[in-house]
Amino acid sequence: QSVLTQPPSVSGAPGQRVTISCTGSSSNFGAGYDVHWYQQLPGTAPKLLIYGNTNRPSGVPDRFSGSKSGTSASLAITALQAEDEAEYYCQSYDKSLSYVIFGGGTKLTVL
Amino acid sequence: QITLKESGPTLVKPTQTLTLTCTFSGLSLSTSGVAVGWIRQPPGKALEWLAFSYSDDTYLCRPSLKTRLTITKDTSKNQVVLTMTNMDPVDTATYYCAHRRYRSGWEYFDYWGQGILVTVSS
Repeated sequence: QSVLTQPPSVSGAPGQRVTISCTGSSSNFGAGYDVHWYQQLPGTAPKLLIYGNTNRPSGVPDRFSGSKSGTSASLAITALQAEDEAEYYCQSYDKSLSYVIFGGGTKLTVL
Repeated sequence: QITLKESGPTLVKPTQTLTLTCTFSGLSLSTSGVAVGWIRQPPGKALEWLAFSYSDDTYLCRPSLKTRLTITKDTSKNQVVLTMTNMDPVDTATYYCAHRRYRSGWEYFDYWGQGILVTVSS
């Protein structure tokens, strides 16, 4: 069981907006550690999507946005496209565990 | 441009020792603050951080694997080596190495290797 909790799956039709939640605790998000998001297309390595809660690396479309509030974070994807179908992971640091932690992953299906 | 690539055996027997090498370019593990991490992913499961190799010649391992993991580096070859003893079928996973970015309050991976699937089976 992951320290960061994500829904196992979400879905949306092309053009729609979806959000993926990531719930942490007082020892990670609540302690001030940021959230980072990765996209993992089938059969490939994870790719950094969002870092530092809200920042997009160069090349990531602005359809992807992140936020964090208190002990929760979320990733929003607007104007959903078929190519967005992938697994999404949140990641942070936990001060109680003293190491990097990942969420359990969310499978996004584009209907 | 930073690139990383994992290499090593794709099949090991139970109780054997796994040795994986991460060869990278575009970064130097002799530069202060630089780190390379190892992350694994069992088939169909989530990512799990394993270890970091730091520029100051130290390393940090996941506590639950501390007795089985050793991380070494060869700065001249731009390589980090992960050694995991007493392999078990539950260690079957894709193993990734990745470049770590760090500042106070955040620590994340901006460049990843392609990964190597290691199967533990007799």
